[in-house]
Amino acid sequence: GAVVSQHPSRVICKSGTSVKIECRSLDFQATTMFWYRQFPKQSLMLMATSNEGSKATYEQGVEKDKFLINHASLTLSTLTVTSAHPEDSSFYICSATPTGGDSYNEQFFGPGTRLTVL
Amino acid sequence: AQSVTQLDSHVSVSEGTPVLLRCNYSSSYSPSLFWYVQHPNKGLQLLLKYTSAATLVKGINGFEAEFKKSETSFHLTKPSAHMSDAAEYFCVVSLSGGGADGLTFGKGTHLIIQP
Repeated sequence: GAVVSQHPSRVICKSGTSVKIECRSLDFQATTMFWYRQFPKQSLMLMATSNEGSKATYEQGVEKDKFLINHASLTLSTLTVTSAHPEDSSFYICSATPTGGDSYNEQFFGPGTRLTVL
Repeated sequence: AQSVTQLDSHVSVSEGTPVLLRCNYSSSYSPSLFWYVQHPNKGLQLLLKYTSAATLVKGINGFEAEFKKSETSFHLTKPSAHMSDAAEYFCVVSLSGGGADGLTFGKGTHLIIQP
């Protein structure tokens, strides 16, 4: 149980285009989802907290107009990287916290999406 | 604000020998502490977590960690390393129990297991 998927697993795009990454909780509902970014051989940095039905909360230094987050349902959050540039190339990882149940206070992580902007 | 410092970027041990991955934390409040493992091409997996209950926490795959407030440490240990333990390990801190707030990750320790 408690599986989180991400789609796509890898994406290559041209500079200036937009890319959407999906994060789904497959077997549980998640009121809260998180988006992290991981540069090569570095740690994960929290980008934003996404709550179902409300606006995302962004960490300091993360441009909300560039990284659009939508959490329209209890099982899906999307991250759209708008007007992508090469410096946006990174590994994007989402996590989800179950709503209730025994694991209500644990984050379950997706496998990540590798974004390469040419 | 809270932070974690993983003291070693790489640790190499022989199969069958003990593993020690070191982590120190800084937090203004009583933190929740976690260890996650990241295998290549797989999602992060929770090994264990400390949330102000027992200071010695046992996790999956034979790992355990001890919360030492006086030393602000939360080192991860395993008595006998297995080849499958080779991965990236992250020490993580949270002000909440771990579900409600974003997590603060250490820089990671790459564990290498020598045959």
